[in-house]
Amino acid sequence: EVQLVESGGGLVKPGGSLRLSCVASGFTFTNAWMSWVRQTPGKGLEWVGRIKSKIDGGTTDYAAPVKGRFTISRDDSKNTLYLQMNSLTTEDTAVYYCGRARSGFYGAAWLDYWGQGSLVTVSS
Amino acid sequence: EIVLTQSPGTLSLSPGERATLSCRASQDVSSGYLAWYQQKPGQAPRLLIYDTSRRATGIPDRISGSGSGTDFTLTISRLEPEDFAVYYCQQYRSSPETFGQGTKVEIK
Repeated sequence: EVQLVESGGGLVKPGGSLRLSCVASGFTFTNAWMSWVRQTPGKGLEWVGRIKSKIDGGTTDYAAPVKGRFTISRDDSKNTLYLQMNSLTTEDTAVYYCGRARSGFYGAAWLDYWGQGSLVTVSS
Repeated sequence: EIVLTQSPGTLSLSPGERATLSCRASQDVSSGYLAWYQQKPGQAPRLLIYDTSRRATGIPDRISGSGSGTDFTLTISRLEPEDFAVYYCQQYRSSPETFGQGTKVEIK
Protein backbone atom coordinates (compact mmCIF):
# COMPACT_ATOMS: atom_id res chain seq x y z
CA GLU A 1 0.00 0.00 0.00
CA VAL A 2 1.37 3.39 -1.00
CA GLN A 3 1.69 5.80 1.91
CA LEU A 4 2.96 9.36 2.07
CA VAL A 5 3.22 10.95 5.50
CA GLU A 6 4.04 14.64 5.83
CA SER A 7 5.38 16.33 8.93
CA GLY A 8 6.99 19.59 9.97
CA GLY A 9 4.11 22.02 9.60
CA GLY A 10 3.29 24.64 12.19
CA LEU A 11 3.16 28.31 13.01
CA VAL A 12 5.99 30.53 11.81
CA LYS A 13 6.49 34.29 11.74
CA PRO A 14 6.75 36.23 8.48
CA GLY A 15 10.31 36.08 7.20
CA GLY A 16 10.89 32.78 8.95
CA SER A 17 11.74 29.33 7.66
CA LEU A 18 10.25 25.88 7.92
CA ARG A 19 11.09 22.46 6.51
CA LEU A 20 8.45 19.91 5.62
CA SER A 21 9.21 16.22 5.28
CA CYS A 22 7.31 13.52 3.43
CA VAL A 23 8.14 9.89 4.17
CA ALA A 24 7.15 7.46 1.44
CA SER A 25 6.45 3.74 1.59
CA GLY A 26 4.83 1.07 -0.54
CA PHE A 27 6.66 1.89 -3.78
CA THR A 28 10.20 2.32 -5.07
CA PHE A 29 10.88 5.89 -3.98
CA THR A 30 14.21 6.03 -5.83
CA ASN A 31 12.45 5.75 -9.18
CA ALA A 32 9.67 8.21 -8.40
CA TRP A 33 9.19 11.82 -9.33
CA MET A 34 7.66 13.74 -6.45
CA SER A 35 5.70 16.98 -6.20
CA TRP A 36 4.44 19.45 -3.64
CA VAL A 37 1.00 21.06 -3.97
CA ARG A 38 -0.57 23.53 -1.56
CA GLN A 39 -4.15 24.45 -0.86
CA THR A 40 -5.69 27.61 0.52
CA PRO A 41 -9.36 28.48 0.84
CA GLY A 42 -8.88 31.49 -1.36
CA LYS A 43 -6.65 30.13 -4.12
CA GLY A 44 -7.62 26.47 -4.18
CA LEU A 45 -5.00 23.97 -5.26
CA GLU A 46 -1.65 25.39 -6.36
CA TRP A 47 1.31 23.43 -7.65
CA VAL A 48 4.48 24.31 -5.74
CA GLY A 49 7.20 22.29 -7.40
CA ARG A 50 8.54 18.96 -8.53
CA ILE A 51 11.71 16.88 -8.33
CA LYS A 52 12.65 14.19 -10.77
CA SER A 53 14.18 10.88 -9.82
CA LYS A 54 17.98 10.83 -9.82
CA ILE A 55 17.97 8.47 -12.77
CA ASP A 56 16.05 11.12 -14.70
CA GLY A 57 18.45 13.82 -13.61
CA GLY A 58 17.13 14.76 -10.18
CA THR A 59 16.27 18.25 -11.36
CA THR A 60 13.71 20.51 -9.77
CA ASP A 61 11.09 22.89 -11.10
CA TYR A 62 9.19 25.51 -9.13
CA ALA A 63 6.13 27.69 -9.39
CA ALA A 64 6.89 31.37 -9.87
CA PRO A 65 5.56 32.53 -6.44
CA VAL A 66 8.03 30.28 -4.57
CA LYS A 67 11.03 30.20 -6.89
CA GLY A 68 14.15 31.36 -5.09
CA ARG A 69 12.56 30.91 -1.65
CA PHE A 70 11.58 27.22 -1.59
CA THR A 71 13.85 24.24 -2.23
CA ILE A 72 12.74 20.68 -2.91
CA SER A 73 15.19 17.89 -2.16
CA ARG A 74 15.14 14.16 -1.58
CA ASP A 75 17.02 11.56 0.42
CA ASP A 76 16.50 8.28 -1.37
CA SER A 77 18.26 6.37 1.43
CA LYS A 78 15.49 7.51 3.78
CA ASN A 79 12.60 7.43 1.28
CA THR A 80 12.03 11.04 2.21
CA LEU A 81 11.10 14.17 0.29
CA TYR A 82 11.72 17.64 1.70
CA LEU A 83 10.40 21.13 1.16
CA GLN A 84 12.61 23.86 2.63
CA MET A 85 10.66 27.11 2.84
CA ASN A 86 12.49 30.38 3.48
CA SER A 87 11.42 34.03 3.60
CA LEU A 88 7.86 32.97 4.33
CA THR A 89 5.00 35.44 3.93
CA THR A 90 1.36 35.29 4.96
CA GLU A 91 0.59 34.32 1.36
CA ASP A 92 2.34 31.00 1.98
CA THR A 93 -0.22 29.97 4.61
CA ALA A 94 -1.73 26.74 3.31
CA VAL A 95 -2.04 23.00 3.68
CA TYR A 96 0.94 21.47 1.90
CA TYR A 97 0.59 18.08 0.23
CA CYS A 98 3.32 15.86 -1.13
CA GLY A 99 2.45 13.50 -3.92
CA ARG A 100 3.92 10.92 -6.22
CA ALA A 101 4.17 12.54 -9.64
CA ARG A 102 3.59 10.67 -12.88
CA SER A 103 5.00 12.46 -15.84
CA GLY A 104 3.54 13.09 -19.23
CA PHE A 105 5.75 13.36 -22.31
CA TYR A 106 6.47 17.06 -21.77
CA GLY A 107 7.76 16.75 -18.21
CA ALA A 108 4.81 18.08 -16.23
CA ALA A 109 2.98 15.58 -14.07
CA TRP A 110 -0.20 14.45 -12.39
CA LEU A 111 -0.29 13.04 -8.85
CA ASP A 112 -1.50 9.51 -8.33
CA TYR A 113 -0.98 9.40 -4.58
CA TRP A 114 -1.18 12.23 -2.05
CA GLY A 115 -0.13 12.61 1.55
CA GLN A 116 -2.60 13.73 4.21
CA GLY A 117 -1.30 17.30 4.21
CA SER A 118 0.62 19.49 6.64
CA LEU A 119 -0.69 22.89 7.72
CA VAL A 120 1.68 25.81 7.54
CA THR A 121 0.52 29.05 9.11
CA VAL A 122 2.55 32.21 8.62
CA SER A 123 1.49 34.86 11.09
CA SER A 124 2.99 37.35 13.50
CA GLU B 1 0.47 29.31 -18.01
CA ILE B 2 -2.66 27.37 -18.89
CA VAL B 3 -5.73 28.60 -16.96
CA LEU B 4 -8.45 26.04 -16.25
CA THR B 5 -12.02 27.19 -15.67
CA GLN B 6 -14.48 24.72 -14.17
CA SER B 7 -18.24 24.97 -14.37
CA PRO B 8 -20.61 25.03 -12.73
CA GLY B 9 -19.26 26.14 -9.38
CA THR B 10 -21.85 24.03 -7.58
CA LEU B 11 -24.02 21.20 -8.85
CA SER B 12 -27.04 20.24 -6.75
CA LEU B 13 -28.24 16.74 -7.61
CA SER B 14 -29.93 13.74 -6.04
CA PRO B 15 -28.44 10.26 -5.64
CA GLY B 16 -28.95 8.26 -8.80
CA GLU B 17 -28.81 11.33 -11.06
CA ARG B 18 -26.15 12.01 -13.68
CA ALA B 19 -23.47 14.62 -13.02
CA THR B 20 -21.66 16.42 -15.82
CA LEU B 21 -18.72 18.63 -14.85
CA SER B 22 -16.88 20.86 -17.29
CA CYS B 23 -13.25 22.01 -17.42
CA ARG B 24 -12.22 24.53 -20.06
CA ALA B 25 -8.58 25.38 -20.76
CA SER B 26 -7.21 28.72 -21.94
CA GLN B 27 -4.91 26.90 -24.39
CA ASP B 28 -4.93 23.59 -26.19
CA VAL B 29 -4.12 20.77 -23.75
CA SER B 30 -2.58 18.60 -26.42
CA SER B 31 -2.08 14.90 -25.89
CA GLY B 32 -5.06 15.03 -23.55
CA TYR B 33 -2.86 15.64 -20.53
CA LEU B 34 -5.70 16.33 -18.14
CA ALA B 35 -6.52 14.73 -14.78
CA TRP B 36 -9.48 14.86 -12.43
CA TYR B 37 -9.39 14.61 -8.63
CA GLN B 38 -12.04 14.21 -5.96
CA GLN B 39 -11.70 15.84 -2.56
CA LYS B 40 -13.86 15.32 0.51
CA PRO B 41 -13.78 17.61 3.58
CA GLY B 42 -10.65 17.15 5.66
CA GLN B 43 -9.08 14.78 3.14
CA ALA B 44 -6.41 15.01 0.49
CA PRO B 45 -7.43 15.00 -3.17
CA ARG B 46 -7.75 11.56 -4.74
CA LEU B 47 -6.90 10.84 -8.37
CA LEU B 48 -9.90 9.72 -10.43
CA ILE B 49 -8.89 10.16 -14.07
CA TYR B 50 -5.65 10.86 -15.95
CA ASP B 51 -4.85 11.26 -19.65
CA THR B 52 -8.39 12.65 -20.07
CA SER B 53 -10.15 9.30 -19.82
CA ARG B 54 -8.02 6.67 -18.04
CA ARG B 55 -9.47 5.66 -14.69
CA ALA B 56 -7.11 5.41 -11.75
CA THR B 57 -6.85 2.18 -9.79
CA GLY B 58 -10.05 1.33 -7.96
CA ILE B 59 -12.22 3.99 -9.60
CA PRO B 60 -15.65 2.60 -10.59
CA ASP B 61 -16.76 2.70 -14.20
CA ARG B 62 -19.69 5.01 -13.41
CA ILE B 63 -17.00 7.74 -13.38
CA SER B 64 -15.64 8.65 -16.81
CA GLY B 65 -13.68 11.41 -18.48
CA SER B 66 -13.76 12.73 -22.02
CA GLY B 67 -12.76 15.69 -24.13
CA SER B 68 -9.97 17.13 -26.20
CA GLY B 69 -8.31 20.39 -27.08
CA THR B 70 -9.66 22.93 -24.62
CA ASP B 71 -12.89 21.27 -23.45
CA PHE B 72 -13.00 18.38 -21.03
CA THR B 73 -15.79 16.67 -19.11
CA LEU B 74 -16.06 14.45 -16.05
CA THR B 75 -19.25 12.41 -15.97
CA ILE B 76 -20.67 10.44 -13.07
CA SER B 77 -23.43 8.35 -14.58
CA ARG B 78 -25.38 7.60 -11.38
CA LEU B 79 -24.45 9.49 -8.25
CA GLU B 80 -23.77 7.39 -5.18
CA PRO B 81 -23.73 8.93 -1.67
CA GLU B 82 -19.92 8.79 -1.63
CA ASP B 83 -19.68 10.89 -4.81
CA PHE B 84 -20.80 14.12 -3.15
CA ALA B 85 -17.55 16.05 -2.94
CA VAL B 86 -15.47 18.71 -4.70
CA TYR B 87 -13.88 17.86 -8.05
CA TYR B 88 -10.80 19.48 -9.57
CA CYS B 89 -9.28 19.23 -13.01
CA GLN B 90 -5.54 19.61 -13.57
CA GLN B 91 -3.49 19.98 -16.74
CA TYR B 92 0.01 18.60 -17.13
CA ARG B 93 0.57 19.55 -20.76
CA SER B 94 2.99 22.24 -19.64
CA SER B 95 4.68 23.54 -16.53
CA PRO B 96 3.47 25.01 -14.30
CA GLU B 97 0.89 22.36 -13.71
CA THR B 98 -2.39 24.16 -13.02
CA PHE B 99 -5.69 23.28 -11.40
CA GLY B 100 -9.22 24.44 -11.94
CA GLN B 101 -11.01 26.18 -9.09
CA GLY B 102 -13.25 23.19 -8.41
CA THR B 103 -16.87 22.09 -8.77
CA LYS B 104 -18.80 21.10 -5.67
CA VAL B 105 -21.34 18.33 -6.15
CA GLU B 106 -23.85 18.61 -3.34
CA ILE B 107 -26.97 16.70 -2.36
CA LYS B 108 -30.13 18.39 -3.54
